[in-house]
Amino acid sequence: LAKTTQPISMDSYEGQEVNITCSHNNIATNDYITWYQQFPSQGPRFIIQGYKTKVTNEVASLFIPADRKSSTLSLPRVSLSDTAVYYCLVGAHYGQNFVFGPGTRLSVLP
Amino acid sequence: EAQVTQNPRYLITVTGKKLTVTCSQNMNHEYMSWYRQDPGLGLRQIYYSMNVEVTDKGDVPEGYKVSRKEKRNFPLILESPSPNQTSLYFCASSFGGAGETQYFGPGTRLLVL
Repeated sequence: LAKTTQPISMDSYEGQEVNITCSHNNIATNDYITWYQQFPSQGPRFIIQGYKTKVTNEVASLFIPADRKSSTLSLPRVSLSDTAVYYCLVGAHYGQNFVFGPGTRLSVLP
Repeated sequence: EAQVTQNPRYLITVTGKKLTVTCSQNMNHEYMSWYRQDPGLGLRQIYYSMNVEVTDKGDVPEGYKVSRKEKRNFPLILESPSPNQTSLYFCASSFGGAGETQYFGPGTRLLVL
């Protein structure tokens, strides 16, 4: 199973781009990387998922290098409402082998 | 609207009094899972189910039971709650497994006195 590590916390200012990296040195061939956002007392919410290279949707981008041992969630032009905890999850689409990262607490300041 | 619902949202109980937290999803997902979240410990999986009548232990199953008699429902049962089960609980579902996009419920905050 891939063990994941993330920075515990990050601070940013409104309007800046934020990059949060997740390390997963032992990622398996079948594993995907998924990022979730969680606000206090709410369930985690899906942000983005990828397998390799770059994925972009309306809220974020996900960069995965060729060796797939890390991934970077990029949030463009953050606002105060992006203050939350961000988790990476590494696991296969089918089956039970997965690892949740410890989470990164992002604080966006005015 | 696609969603995972949990009930109750908040619960205060006493040690030893059996309780059930319900979870239901309307997305026809095969995979369902229960997590608990405690400060500094992140999300830890309690039990999961790959399909109807197929359940298995996660990382922290002690003191919990589950059942999966219907595809949409996955109740979490605490037969004899103890104070160390005071936590925030989340139910989640997905089409295939944990690495597939999981949809989480709103959470159930449990206090065991």
